Amino acid sequence: DAGVTQSPTHLIKTRGQQVTLRCSPISGHKSVSWYQQVLGQGPQFIFQYYEKEERGRGNFPDRFSARQFPNYSSELNVNALLLGDSALYLCASSLGLAGETGELFFGEGSRLTVL
Amino acid sequence: QQQVKQSPQSLIVQKGGISIINCAYENTAFDYFPWYQQFPGKGPALLIAIRPDVSEKKEGRFTISFNKSAKQFSLHIMDSQPGDSATYFCAASNGGYQKVTFGTGTKLQVIP
Repeated sequence: DAGVTQSPTHLIKTRGQQVTLRCSPISGHKSVSWYQQVLGQGPQFIFQYYEKEERGRGNFPDRFSARQFPNYSSELNVNALLLGDSALYLCASSLGLAGETGELFFGEGSRLTVL
Repeated sequence: QQQVKQSPQSLIVQKGGISIINCAYENTAFDYFPWYQQFPGKGPALLIAIRPDVSEKKEGRFTISFNKSAKQFSLHIMDSQPGDSATYFCAASNGGYQKVTFGTGTKLQVIP
């Protein structure tokens, strides 16, 4: 069975640009969460989507947005990129709402470098 | 109040030894405490988890000890192996918060 897939795996952008990251959850999983992991730190919660609705948002500016599609895949968009946005962006899927079980299945992430 | 504090930041253990990683939380509403293991270039993977109604959970060489009154929990890795070398994250969640809160991570190195 396929796990969580993310694309692209690596990308380089310059300040002020916009980026879109994509995620396909495990088949049957209806929830997708996005996390930002800065080098040497734990993942920080950005968004959770469940059944195509936003069900949680972390402490990130409005430059960050996301959506979930009818097939439960998801996109994370970041506008007006800053150097500090350089990080590994992790997508995780879960059967139900992540907070209820804490059991997240992560993809390998998209490594974003902002120059 | 949403934080999960983790220590140590890094740990070096001899092969066959016991690795111990500690975490503390403040929010008593947390009701699920998973541990994740992350290898370089990979996403975190669920290792073991516990709910606060039990004080200990063991799965193979991995054991979680939970102290509800102290609001602390720890991961013990018995007979540590070089293949266990990875970064370990404790975490906590509660259905009402709709997210999982992660600790800062412990980089474990098991030397032969």
